[in-house]
Amino acid sequence: GESVGLHLPTLSVQEGDNSIINCAYSNSASDYFIWYKQESGKGPQFIIDIRSNMDKRQGQRVTVLLNKTVKHLSLQIAATQPGDSAVYFCAENIDPKIQGAQKLVFGQGTRLTINP
Amino acid sequence: NAGVMQNPRHLVRRRGQEARLRCSPMKGHSHVYWYRQLPEEGLKFMVYLQKENIIDESGMPKERFSAEFPKEGPSILRIQQVVRGDSAAYFCASSPTTGVREKLFFGSGTQLSVL
Repeated sequence: GESVGLHLPTLSVQEGDNSIINCAYSNSASDYFIWYKQESGKGPQFIIDIRSNMDKRQGQRVTVLLNKTVKHLSLQIAATQPGDSAVYFCAENIDPKIQGAQKLVFGQGTRLTINP
Repeated sequence: NAGVMQNPRHLVRRRGQEARLRCSPMKGHSHVYWYRQLPEEGLKFMVYLQKENIIDESGMPKERFSAEFPKEGPSILRIQQVVRGDSAAYFCASSPTTGVREKLFFGSGTQLSVL
């Protein structure tokens, strides 16, 4: 029979508020993590990355936190805007032995909706 | 500088037909990746290619699927004898030839629908 896709976790926030999106990763050996934003009908767009030797990295309005002890990533978006509405995926590079390769495992994704 | 170009954007095939998906990486990029995305799910790695070489195809189904990245021209993902379960969005990504881990740049994808 046909398989039924899981519904994405959703997060709704008011415009101007901060949002936090969480992600659990699977592989203790992963040493590189990325957050992607995917708008409807488009490919994933790079937001921010972090290596395993760091626990925090900041970009413009975004911060990524990495907790290797519990294998947890979070993406914080400050002062959300309508254009932030999208699905957000975390991804881990599971094959760091191949230098330069980007064999990524994506999380399930979270749909972020910004309310006016 | 054009981004990663994929065509067609939408492809409709009947069961048993062949699907050919094309990907032109960004200028100067010689690493190409193919990922598949089912509705409401994350992307799943399929294959990683460099010019004329398949580096890692561990995510490719063993039958009916093949990929190439010739010396000249785009990368092609080919699906023979398509079945309904092949319906998905297929994304191509590219990265430059460097020794440093580089960001992946994704195309807009090809939505394959199998009737």
